[in-house]
Amino acid sequence: EVQLVESGGGLVQPGGSLRLSCAASPFTFNAYWMSWVRQAPGKGLEWVANIKYDGSEEYYADSVKGRFTISRDNGKNSLYLEMNSLRVEDTAVYYCARDTGYYDILSGLYWGQGTLVTVS
Amino acid sequence: DIVMTQTPLLAVTPGEPASISCRSSRRLLVSVDGNTYLDWYLQKPGQSPQLLIYTVAFRASGVPDRFTGSGSGTDFTLNISRVEPEDIGVYYCMQRVAFPSRTFGQGTKLEIK
Repeated sequence: EVQLVESGGGLVQPGGSLRLSCAASPFTFNAYWMSWVRQAPGKGLEWVANIKYDGSEEYYADSVKGRFTISRDNGKNSLYLEMNSLRVEDTAVYYCARDTGYYDILSGLYWGQGTLVTVS
Repeated sequence: DIVMTQTPLLAVTPGEPASISCRSSRRLLVSVDGNTYLDWYLQKPGQSPQLLIYTVAFRASGVPDRFTGSGSGTDFTLNISRVEPEDIGVYYCMQRVAFPSRTFGQGTKLEIK
């Protein structure tokens, strides 16, 4: 069973920074794209960013481009999201998700339990 | 950008069937591989989303067979043959054709009458 455990959320002032982490197990981490998806309070789901198996490609939603950076450490089976210049509207639960696999292109996203980021 | 549209609310009686629709602003078929990248997720109250159906009609591991997905082109449906009380929550469709970005519908909240 896919396990994804996020950490690093908390309260931060506007303009501040925060780094989220996601520990993944027990699948072959370096064979999957990984994504961050967020959910503002009482709202729907918004894709934030994703990163290729080997970290060679990164993509971002327009709402976070230039402020957020996704990265991964395949040796540690970990995914990260560096968030800078945070805005009130970035307040959300941030989910780590296992995305498309190199040998598993059909499958959908598997999700962690999320970590809350509050910008206030 | 692809826009995914869902009906916001659906109220059903336990034991009765339910049908949740999702419409895409463009076709989700990838002609190169013949697959249509449309998934369904359920977010139960207080929980993170869980994968129900991937690539239109494939049931994820552990998902009861009362859930079935169907559709093609731009119109997709998630059917629940007999709604159980534990099925309440918000159902989201999501497209993966505009790789690598993902777009979600606004969600359909399933309530029990």
